[in-house]
Amino acid sequence: DLQLTQSPSSLSASVGDRVTITCQASQDINNYLNWYQQKPGRAPKLLIYDASNLETGVPSRFSGSGSGTHFTFTISSLQPDDFATYSCQQYEYLPPLTFGGGTKVEIK
Amino acid sequence: QVQLVESGGGVVQPGRPLRLSCAASGFTFSGYAMHWVRQAPGKGLEWVALITYDGSNEYYPNSVKGRFTISRDNSKSTLFLQMNSLRSEDTAIYYCVKDRRASSASGLLDNWGQGTLVTVSS
Repeated sequence: DLQLTQSPSSLSASVGDRVTITCQASQDINNYLNWYQQKPGRAPKLLIYDASNLETGVPSRFSGSGSGTHFTFTISSLQPDDFATYSCQQYEYLPPLTFGGGTKVEIK
Repeated sequence: QVQLVESGGGVVQPGRPLRLSCAASGFTFSGYAMHWVRQAPGKGLEWVALITYDGSNEYYPNSVKGRFTISRDNSKSTLFLQMNSLRSEDTAIYYCVKDRRASSASGLLDNWGQGTLVTVSS
């Protein structure tokens, strides 16, 4: 099965920092890569779809890029509401859908 | 707006069955594929099942194939997950999730319920 390797698994950052998370696929998935945000006790929320498209209503400080096997998720200026866990997910090869292991963004 | 409300979770003994339900509203349920995704305590997300908009096709990962069955009642806008032969490793929050694309399943998960907790323990 296709694997998604997300890094780092956790990071500490301050409000205003630029944050970057990477997701590496074990096979070419074109641009069929999504990013989700999950806060404690809450359901995941779609932020970025098809690698670089911002979901409606999501602030423009969030962005995504990449294609093939290497993808990047960026928060340009970290806000207090952004402390959460972020996960990538591929849907080029379905089934199965696969998720990355998640990156927990914590306050420094 | 889209609403997905799961129910049916609880504590169940290993080997016993459990059936989850998801009541959908705010969209044309019969037009969209639906998924179940789970999250074990402190772990990442794991896709569990997919059913096409008309119920004609179902898909599962190897971890649950043969034990779990996804189904839907489009007349009642309700999604189900029948879980048999439950194991301790099935302990998780189970989320009902809507697919973005109408009619065909894409795997783009755009709306999630709040989840229902299933605990498998003797």
